[in-house]
Amino acid sequence: DVEMTQSPLSLSASVGDRITITCQASQDIFIYLNWYQQRPGKAPKLLINDASNLETGVPSRFSGSRSGTEFTFTINNLQPEDMATYYCQQYDSLPLTFGGGTKVDVK
Amino acid sequence: QPQLVQSGGEMRKPGASVKVSCRASGYTFSNYGISWVRQAPGQGLEWMGWINAYNGKINFAQKFQDRVTMTTDTSTNTAYMELRSLTYDDTAIYYCARCAVVVTATTWLDPWGQGTLVTVSA
Repeated sequence: DVEMTQSPLSLSASVGDRITITCQASQDIFIYLNWYQQRPGKAPKLLINDASNLETGVPSRFSGSRSGTEFTFTINNLQPEDMATYYCQQYDSLPLTFGGGTKVDVK
Repeated sequence: QPQLVQSGGEMRKPGASVKVSCRASGYTFSNYGISWVRQAPGQGLEWMGWINAYNGKINFAQKFQDRVTMTTDTSTNTAYMELRSLTYDDTAIYYCARCAVVVTATTWLDPWGQGTLVTVSA
């Protein structure tokens, strides 16, 4: 199974800040990496597919990138509604696996 | 727009079974697959398996292979996930999610159902 190591576990930032979350894959997964947002008490929502492709309707302050087996998720100009847990997910091979999640708190 | 609506919460005793439904609307059901993902209280996301809504082909995570069944009913655009021999560790929110393509589970998941809480308690 492909292991996805996500960091940090949690972070706290202020409105307007830029934050970065990282996912490290245990093997080469090419671009086959997605990012989801899960607000408290809600189902996950797809934000980015194929490492950097922003879903329709997702604000442009969200972005993703890849460098080898390391993937980065960035939120620019953090907003109060961005308070959520964010997960990466690889789909290079089965079973689909997720990172452990990063809880983002907005001060 | 595509939408998945799941059945309501369930409570079961250890050793029992539970069947969760996931009704699709807003898209052609048989043109996509459905994955099932669970989330234990306060924990992360765990993929359980996938079903091709066109031909019923399935693929399960090895952990669940012996006690999960996934089916679809194309007449009602509904997917089902049954989990047997429940233990306390199966207490979780169970989500269905549409796969981006029908032929494989290796894809992104969008949209997701609202989740079904299954509680295992004596």
